[in-house]
Amino acid sequence: QVQLVQSGAEVKKSGASVKVSCKASGYAFIGYYMHWVRQAPGQGLEWMGWMNPDSGGTDYAQKFQGRVTMTRGTSVSTAYVELSRLRSDDTAVYFCARSSSTYFAFDMWGQGTMVTVSS
Amino acid sequence: DIVMTQSPDSLAVSLGERATINCKSSQSVLYRSNNKNYLAWYQQKPGQPPKLLIYWASTRESGVPDRFSGSGSGTDFTLTISSLQAEDVAVYYCQQYFGTQYSFGQGTKLEIK
Repeated sequence: QVQLVQSGAEVKKSGASVKVSCKASGYAFIGYYMHWVRQAPGQGLEWMGWMNPDSGGTDYAQKFQGRVTMTRGTSVSTAYVELSRLRSDDTAVYFCARSSSTYFAFDMWGQGTMVTVSS
Repeated sequence: DIVMTQSPDSLAVSLGERATINCKSSQSVLYRSNNKNYLAWYQQKPGQPPKLLIYWASTRESGVPDRFSGSGSGTDFTLTISSLQAEDVAVYYCQQYFGTQYSFGQGTKLEIK
């Protein structure tokens, strides 16, 4: 069935980088944009950016410009998000989400990956 | 960037009653060439990822109960649950996808009165 499976929880020090993966199955990976959304503890959803798995093209939210990189491994149908220069306020659950090619909303989500940043 | 503002922040409704959540965008999300509003609604339960309920402001995703409906156009939108069920307790988010930059509202927490 169609699913997005993310990598496990991470604990990082301030100033370090983290890379989270999202493996897609059950559909044509290159046919749907992949987005990353994060949610700090007890807070709302924050969109980080998208990646086109076909071309590798990206568009990032201004807040994360210069700190975030979204990539893909097409042979393994996996999307990645890397966030550098981590701070304590980057502690959050990070979700990948697929946007429908016909109506652009997020019709499939990964289970989430908890990233904890400690000083 | 388009800022999405939801109201209220929290809401308590009796079982079987109607629940209404509002969402306002800082600029229109209506694309005139196809007359579509680039707005979606999601439901999130504790410990789960969000679930898509509504897209194009008023189209229900497959499998979503028909007690959920969306309305509005331009900058003002509403999610209505016609008869609240216990399983509808959740946080609800609106999202705009007009252009290449997306954004969410701050969320509305729905509880049982």
